[in-house]
Amino acid sequence: QVQLVQSGAEVKKPGASVKVSCKASGYTFTTFGITWVRQAPGQGLEWMGWISAYNRNTNYAQKLQGRVTMTTDTSTSTAYMELRSLRSGDTAVYYCARGVTLRGNYYMDVWGKGTTVTVSS
Amino acid sequence: QSVLTQPPSVSGAPGQRVTISCTGSSSNIGAGYDVHWYQQLPGTAPKLLIYGNSNRPSGVPDRFSGSKSGTSASLAITGLQAEDEADYYCQSYDSSLSALFGGGTKLTVL
Repeated sequence: QVQLVQSGAEVKKPGASVKVSCKASGYTFTTFGITWVRQAPGQGLEWMGWISAYNRNTNYAQKLQGRVTMTTDTSTSTAYMELRSLRSGDTAVYYCARGVTLRGNYYMDVWGKGTTVTVSS
Repeated sequence: QSVLTQPPSVSGAPGQRVTISCTGSSSNIGAGYDVHWYQQLPGTAPKLLIYGNSNRPSGVPDRFSGSKSGTSASLAITGLQAEDEADYYCQSYDSSLSALFGGGTKLTVL
């Protein structure tokens, strides 16, 4: 079955970086994109960006431009999201989700279970 | 403040019908971009509920339906059940193909 398995929880100090992984299985990795979404405690969903697993094209949320990098490794069917210069407001659960293209945009049909990132001094 | 506006909460008794609205603008929903809906049960990852405005993925009961008109979209849930108690999010796009989420609606089954 299609699944996305994310890396474990992280605790980071302000100013540090975090890299979250998302390993896909059960489908041809390069046929779909991967989206990253985060959710701060008690808050709603926030789209962070998208990467095509086919050609590695990316589209990042404007508010994260310059701090976020999304990559893929097709040899291991794994997507990565790195966030730098962490601050307390980055404390959240980070989700990866498979993006299915539809009429020029996409929807997220399979989600990972989430990775908790805590930023604290 | 989300670009897509949802009511913070809705409620209904078991068996009733509830609707959740998602209001955007001419820059997103009104520009023709699709609306998708996700259900998030407490402590779990979101789950795709409706895609492409009105399509249900395999396994989603037909009690859930979606529609879109102009700059808004709606999710309707009929025959409300206790297990439907969750947060619901709409999602669309803007002209830069940045995905937009609504602020979320908490559904309480009375």
